[in-house]
Amino acid sequence: GAVVSQHPSWVICKSGTSVKIECRSLDFQATTMFWYRQFPKQSLMLMATSNEGSKATYEQGVEKDKFLINHASLTLSTLTVTSAHPEDSSFYICSANPTGTDSNQPQHFGDGTRLSIL
Amino acid sequence: KNEVEQSPQNLTAQEGEFITINCSYSVGISALHWLQQHPGGGIVSLFMLSSGKKKHGRLIATINIQEKHSSLHITASHPRDSAVYICAVGRRAGGTSYGKLTFGQGTILTVHP
Repeated sequence: GAVVSQHPSWVICKSGTSVKIECRSLDFQATTMFWYRQFPKQSLMLMATSNEGSKATYEQGVEKDKFLINHASLTLSTLTVTSAHPEDSSFYICSANPTGTDSNQPQHFGDGTRLSIL
Repeated sequence: KNEVEQSPQNLTAQEGEFITINCSYSVGISALHWLQQHPGGGIVSLFMLSSGKKKHGRLIATINIQEKHSSLHITASHPRDSAVYICAVGRRAGGTSYGKLTFGQGTILTVHP
């Protein structure tokens, strides 16, 4: 079945550093990928829609200069948390569907990245 | 009021019990998804529904489009079913909303042996 790989699974770093998270579709091409954020004991919140070859679409309240998204190929999207601070500590997870499918198909999720900023 | 509401928020059951988790939504949807999130955070898609009923093993999902309501049932529950179950809806729109999901707050299920 379709697999989405996310890396790294866990990051601990100092305040002020930038952290890059990768989301790869392993056996399909994905024109669109989605990035979500989840705080403890809360549900997922969509941060942005990553579009291959064009700018990402950010949800209201998400700083695009803080959360840089690059979708340079049909199998890879990256989320970079720039100048991270403790309030950015969260669980970040991506999802994707094969190009050509619509929202009436199951989403394929990565295993998530737990980010802790000290 | 959230666009997707789940109940209950927490559910504790004994092994073998029949479990029901409910989801109500207030927006037009193209599909409704039931997801399972394990303690480590990974998410698995259980069902995608646009009408009727689906069954997979001990899991059954139903949806009533007119009432904007869906239920997830687990028969003969087992401790390994312990997880967070999340209802999510795909909005009825094309273009940039393609594939975007709106999530319920999740139901924490604990099944004791």
